[in-house]
Amino acid sequence: SQQGEEDPQALSIQEGENATMNCSYKTSINNLQWYRQNSGRGLVHLILIRSNEREKHSGRLRVTLDTSKKSSSLLITASRAADTASYFCATDRRGGTSYGKLTFGQGTILTVHP
Amino acid sequence: DSGVTQTPKHLITATGQRVTLRCSPRSGDLSVYWYQQSLDQGLQFLIQYYNGEERAKGNILERFSAQQFPDLHSELNLSSLELGDSALYFCASSVGDSANTGELFFGEGSRLTVL
Repeated sequence: SQQGEEDPQALSIQEGENATMNCSYKTSINNLQWYRQNSGRGLVHLILIRSNEREKHSGRLRVTLDTSKKSSSLLITASRAADTASYFCATDRRGGTSYGKLTFGQGTILTVHP
Repeated sequence: DSGVTQTPKHLITATGQRVTLRCSPRSGDLSVYWYQQSLDQGLQFLIQYYNGEERAKGNILERFSAQQFPDLHSELNLSSLELGDSALYFCASSVGDSANTGELFFGEGSRLTVL
């Protein structure tokens, strides 16, 4: 089963609007990462936030992490048509047999209309 | 370009057959990860190797096996193929032996179609 669950499953917005995607997870983590995937292509790393961080920015991206609620959000500001892609959160779980791997959620499909 | 190379890009084969997928990690990366992506299962972690040794195992079927060679390239072997094995197979690499060290760099994937 997936560790992370993204919400919403699909998001459709106009260029210039902000897009917010949420991710919930189940167990304690070392870090949480967001990746982007253009249709049928490889995943591209966007941002990593560690468990002791609450917010991180990178260009038009803002990520928050609430470990008490086991949730994270990714905000893309002033979206562009080129932002159209699937976005995945991935968690690096702490301890157990999950050492050394990232577990991905099902993803949010973002469509930005010109 | 992530620096991770996967071959072949596309592969069509029949049920019962065996295929080998190849991955060359980014220069300097010692860890290689294999993931399977399908519409119904999403992205599933299969297996990780670090500097030639198996490091972590996920939902990898017994019909599947992998290895990492001294030059750090990796191969994923899929045998007795079934229709349900049709998927996109990704290889990713990282510098260290734990995802806690940072990001994974993904290849463009190998799309396997089993007929």
